[in-house]
Amino acid sequence: GAGVSQSPRYKVAKRGQDVALRCDPISGHVSLFWYQQALGQGPEFLTYFQNEAQLDKSGLPSDRFFAERPEGSVSTLKIQRTQQEDSAVYLCASSSHTGELFFGEGSRLTVL
Amino acid sequence: QKEVEQNSGPLSVPEGAIASLNCTYSDRGSQSFFWYRQYSGKSPELIMFIYSNGDKEDGRFTAQLNKASQYVSLLIRDSQPSDSATYLCAVNGANYGQNFVFGPGTRLSVLP
Repeated sequence: GAGVSQSPRYKVAKRGQDVALRCDPISGHVSLFWYQQALGQGPEFLTYFQNEAQLDKSGLPSDRFFAERPEGSVSTLKIQRTQQEDSAVYLCASSSHTGELFFGEGSRLTVL
Repeated sequence: QKEVEQNSGPLSVPEGAIASLNCTYSDRGSQSFFWYRQYSGKSPELIMFIYSNGDKEDGRFTAQLNKASQYVSLLIRDSQPSDSATYLCAVNGANYGQNFVFGPGTRLSVLP
């Protein structure tokens, strides 16, 4: 596609529910990143994939967070047993060899 | 100490003036430096990147890098109301793997 596509754009979950956020990167981009952005803050790194390999997951805040990219293209970020502190915008970005990050529009998660 | 620091602002400048945005970073091994612009409710978009000490100009934008002082800045000449946004500084380097570390952002307001 022309850009990075994320879905859903908005998600409201009750505390304790599981959610899945999808990212479809720019075609041909090897690198894919997930970031979490709280209101008024900069993006915080969660995890990084190179093709299907998850090379860095040091930013995932707890074992309730899980990400995968099984075929090296679309990626899913899953949050189990959501908590209120998980409320944020989840940004996906893909990158070519130039190092520039191309961001999707984000998925805004609200946990009630 | 956060790895990438910025003044949160808001920074207000009159239309036509020069806006100066500053960023400091803690890791001396940092190699690549990026400025992203983020409009409210939108995803970040790349404005400029700089790798070498000195100045890099692109239209109304100039990035300045001083690795000895661990300091990178963005100058916006002839500021326009459409430049009003949050400006995010991002740093990448060997110690971060493929990760990009973002600062909290500086909110710029250009007054007509």
